[in-house]
Amino acid sequence: DQQVKQNSPSLSVQEGRISILNCDYTNSMFDYFLWYKKYPAEGPTFLISISSIKDKNEDGRFTVFLNKSAKHLSLHIVPSQPGDSAVYFCAASSNFGNEKLTFGTGTRLTIIP
Amino acid sequence: NAGVMQNPRHLVRRRGQEARLRCSPMKGHSHVYWYRQLPEEGLKFMVYLQKENIIDESGMPKERFSAEFPKEGPSILRIQQVVRGDSAAYFCASSPKRSNEQFFGPGTRLTVL
Repeated sequence: DQQVKQNSPSLSVQEGRISILNCDYTNSMFDYFLWYKKYPAEGPTFLISISSIKDKNEDGRFTVFLNKSAKHLSLHIVPSQPGDSAVYFCAASSNFGNEKLTFGTGTRLTIIP
Repeated sequence: NAGVMQNPRHLVRRRGQEARLRCSPMKGHSHVYWYRQLPEEGLKFMVYLQKENIIDESGMPKERFSAEFPKEGPSILRIQQVVRGDSAAYFCASSPKRSNEQFFGPGTRLTVL
């Protein structure tokens, strides 16, 4: 049972344009969401997070939007840069503070120069 | 401030041998998590530990797998009598108290021949 889904295995975006990565979840107990970026042969790197009391969080070029009624979140990267090429994982947890993360299967983002 | 450290980075074992994976959390972090990533899949939670305590082992296979986080020294994930299906990347993450943000190590890639 995949509780966190990333339905697009891959995405290609022109450099300078906006990249939009999507994530859906089924467990209504999830109340904290995170995005991680992963390069080959490295561990995931934390990017940005959002709690369920917000619908938007922004950090530089990265913005995460949360739509609780649709159980959907998205990560926007603008402008996209070649160094953004990586696999992006959406993750979710319940009950703030030291809980296991449930990950999606990832989206491979390729930025075309 | 060193990040999460894992060793070895690569481990090759023959079927039936034991695999021992080590994780040193970030300085000041008292919570350790282990995740496994199979090829072309997302990360799957295995176990969550604090010093000398297993908090959540709901993702651990019932047999052959064990984990510990002693008062002194790194956290250890131990796999006895390895089988080919244990071949995967094993990631350790750590977090400070009362935080959902987990910081990952570079992973140990286990190959079972």
